[in-house]
Parts: sequence; C-alpha cells; structure tokens
Amino acid sequence: AQSVTQLGSHVSVSEGALVLLRCNYSSSVPPYLFWYVQYPNQGLQLLLKYTSAATLVKGINGFEAEFKKSETSFHLTKPSAHMSDAAEYFCAVSSTGYSTLTFGKGTMLLVSP
Amino acid sequence: GAGVSQSPSNKVTEKGKDVELRCDPISGHTALYWYRQSLGQGLEFLIYFQGNSAPDKSGLPSDRFSAERTGGSVSTLTIQRTQQEDSAVYLCASSSSLASTDTQYFGPGTRLTVL
Repeated sequence: AQSVTQLGSHVSVSEGALVLLRCNYSSSVPPYLFWYVQYPNQGLQLLLKYTSAATLVKGINGFEAEFKKSETSFHLTKPSAHMSDAAEYFCAVSSTGYSTLTFGKGTMLLVSP
Repeated sequence: GAGVSQSPSNKVTEKGKDVELRCDPISGHTALYWYRQSLGQGLEFLIYFQGNSAPDKSGLPSDRFSAERTGGSVSTLTIQRTQQEDSAVYLCASSSSLASTDTQYFGPGTRLTVL
C-alpha cells in the first residue's frame, strides 16, 4: 500500500520569496515520486520525478526536490517565486510493479506581488 | 507534438442518463490511465490499459462504470445511469509503457456535471 500526504492545502508567498511545498509518502516498497502542477482548467504537467538515481532532482521552471528516505519526504522548492507559479501542485507516488499514481490532496500556491 | 486529448471538454447531463468520455493518447503510447478528480476525493485512479487489455478494474467506483480501448489507441469511459456523485473532472493519461518510472502525460480532462 502507498499513500501521500501534502501538508497545507494552501501556501501563500510573496513574489521573490522561497517556495516550499511539503510531501511525505508511505510505501512498503521503494517508491518513485513525482510532482505535477495543474493550472486552472488544464491537465497535470510533470515538474520533476525521482526514480532512484540522484536524490536531488531538478525540474522545469526552476523547481527542485530532494528525496529523503529517512524522513520519507520529497519536498518541492524554488528559490524565488514568480507570479506565474501560482497553481495547484500535486505530489504522487508509484512503485515497482505498480505504475498507477497515488496522489496527495494537492497544495494551492498563491503568489502575491 | 500532439499531446493527450479528451472530448468533450465539458458535459452536462441529467441524472440517470448514460455518458461517454473519450481519450486520445499520445501516438505510440501503449499504457493509458483514467483518473477522476473531485472536490471530496481528490485525484483517484480508476483503470489502466496495457494495449487493449485492462488487467485491473478494481478502481472503478461501481458497476455503472466501464471502459474500453480499441486498436491500442482511443479509449472510452462510459458511465451508465449517472448519479450526482459522478460529477467530477475525468482525466486521461498515457505513457510509453507500464514501467513505474515512465512519465504519465495528462490530457486537459472532461468536466462532467450531473444535474
């Protein structure tokens, strides 16, 4: 069984501030972890994924995430928020032999000028 | 290049009617997934296809839901005798294989409203 917990349904930051979106997972087997972004009335777009290579993963639009096995976490960060980053972000997990994604509840990122 | 497309983008129907939702995956992608996004349940997995075969239908919420895929390409999700709790956004995704590390590419979704 696998599950994902995203702390905070809404996160507010100022433009230029650090973005930190939290994701913790539970999995009985080594996980693969994904961050997706969803803009209003659009589908999900992959930001980055961890597939057991480097633990620090860099994605699109300046985002990165670090896989920490000891903390069962995969938090998403960006050094400097931009207005265009305002969207909903989803963390998801899959595992060997189970390719379907289990998603967290999502975190809405609000960016103020 | 062409991404995953879904039709219709919006569907309003009356309770008790049947609806069909269509998904066109990325050309050459053998794996296809259906998910449902609703306010109460978040994003939940419904069913997946490898080629035209759906090995696991346990994610379908009830026997009113069915899905098929033909020619290893287009997939249709059918909901019979729709209920208000079926109102949600239905998302389709495809990937090049069923490998757990493969990226799933999502379509824009079909927003279903059951009155």
